[in-house]
Amino acid sequence: GDSVTQMEGPVTLSEEACLTINCTYTATGYPSLFWYVQYPGEGLQLLLKATKADDKGSNKGFEATYRKETTSFHLEKGSVQVSDSAVYFCALSQGGSEKLVFGKGTKLTVNP
Amino acid sequence: EAGVTQSPTHLIKTRGQQATLRCSPISGHTSVYWYQQALGLGLQFLLWYDEGEERNRGNFPPRFSGRQFPNYSSELNVNALELEDSALYLCASSPRQRQNQPQHFGDGTRLSIL
Repeated sequence: GDSVTQMEGPVTLSEEACLTINCTYTATGYPSLFWYVQYPGEGLQLLLKATKADDKGSNKGFEATYRKETTSFHLEKGSVQVSDSAVYFCALSQGGSEKLVFGKGTKLTVNP
Repeated sequence: EAGVTQSPTHLIKTRGQQATLRCSPISGHTSVYWYQQALGLGLQFLLWYDEGEERNRGNFPPRFSGRQFPNYSSELNVNALELEDSALYLCASSPRQRQNQPQHFGDGTRLSIL
């Protein structure tokens, strides 16, 4: 079945450092890809999405590009802030089944 | 626009009891999804309801069930509670034309089994 593998955490960075969280997927067909973020004590918020190969999703300084040739959707940010501290989840969905398949999550801590 | 709302925020039960969790989707959304976020197991898909019908089900036993009402709100019922049912239960919704549309999540119900 479909699956998502993302970089194990935790990741600890200093403010203004560069961030990359790796995400690769296994799926039949052409899934849609998502990054969700979960702040402490809250549910998931959609961070960005991409629906076809070579699409780039972006939001709040975060970016990710749908790479079909490498089946990857890595999350990047050039300069992280303390407020970016959260758990980040990579996910995919297939039309028809509609369910989201999540990676295990990567906890990011940004220190001032 | 109000987001997805879930109630209660916290629920404490004992083994063998039954729990009912509630979810109201974003206005105009017809699909409701339920996920379980348990420690060490990550986020797992439970159920998908659309237009009042169960459309898909994850790999969970039959004691996990639910329904969707005519106003598109939903209930998740868990019978014969077990200790391993302790988790954060997240509800999400999406609009009628779901293709490529993201799911929007509520803040969850924390279910604790004593």
